[in-house]
Amino acid sequence: DIQMTQSPSTLSASVGDRVTITCRASQSFSTWLAWYQQKPGKAPKVLIYKTSSLQAGVPSRFSGSGSGTEFTLTISSLQPDDFATYYCQQYTSYPYTFGQGTKLEIK
Amino acid sequence: EEHLVESGGGLVQPGGSLRLSCVASGFTFGTYWMNWFRQAPGKGLEWVAKIRMDGGERFYVNSVSGRFTISRDNGESSLFLQMNSLRAEDTAVYFCARDAMRGGECDCWGQGTLVTVSS
Repeated sequence: DIQMTQSPSTLSASVGDRVTITCRASQSFSTWLAWYQQKPGKAPKVLIYKTSSLQAGVPSRFSGSGSGTEFTLTISSLQPDDFATYYCQQYTSYPYTFGQGTKLEIK
Repeated sequence: EEHLVESGGGLVQPGGSLRLSCVASGFTFGTYWMNWFRQAPGKGLEWVAKIRMDGGERFYVNSVSGRFTISRDNGESSLFLQMNSLRAEDTAVYFCARDAMRGGECDCWGQGTLVTVSS
């Protein structure tokens, strides 16, 4: 199984900040990585797919990059609606696996 | 609008069984791979199972293989998860989700149904 390790687990930031969340994989793979946003009591919402493609309707302040074993999600200028928990997920091989999540909190 | 609605969750004793359902609307259900995910209280997301459009291929996370069965009825636009030999660690909110046409990320999710395994 591919283990996904996210960092940091918690991130405190302010509106307008640029933030980056990192996801490291236990094995190298390319392309098939997604980022999800989840708010309390709600289902996840896909933000980024295939490492760097922006899901329709997602603001362009969200971007993804990476390859091999290191992938990143960047939010260029935090907005109030962005405070949530973020998960990376690999879907290159079964079983699909998630990072443990990064909770983005208001500073 | 595209919707997925889960049902069937509840309280069940260890060793018991439960069948979850997920009804789709607003899209052609039979043309999509479908998944079940779960999230234990206060924990992260876990992929559970996936089924091909025609039901001909199924995949499971190791921890449920042999105990859970994913199935579908395209005529009823419905996805199912039969859960047997339930354990306390199966306690979670279970979500059904649709694969995007272009790949394996999930672009449409239900609201989830809570399964509690406890005596």
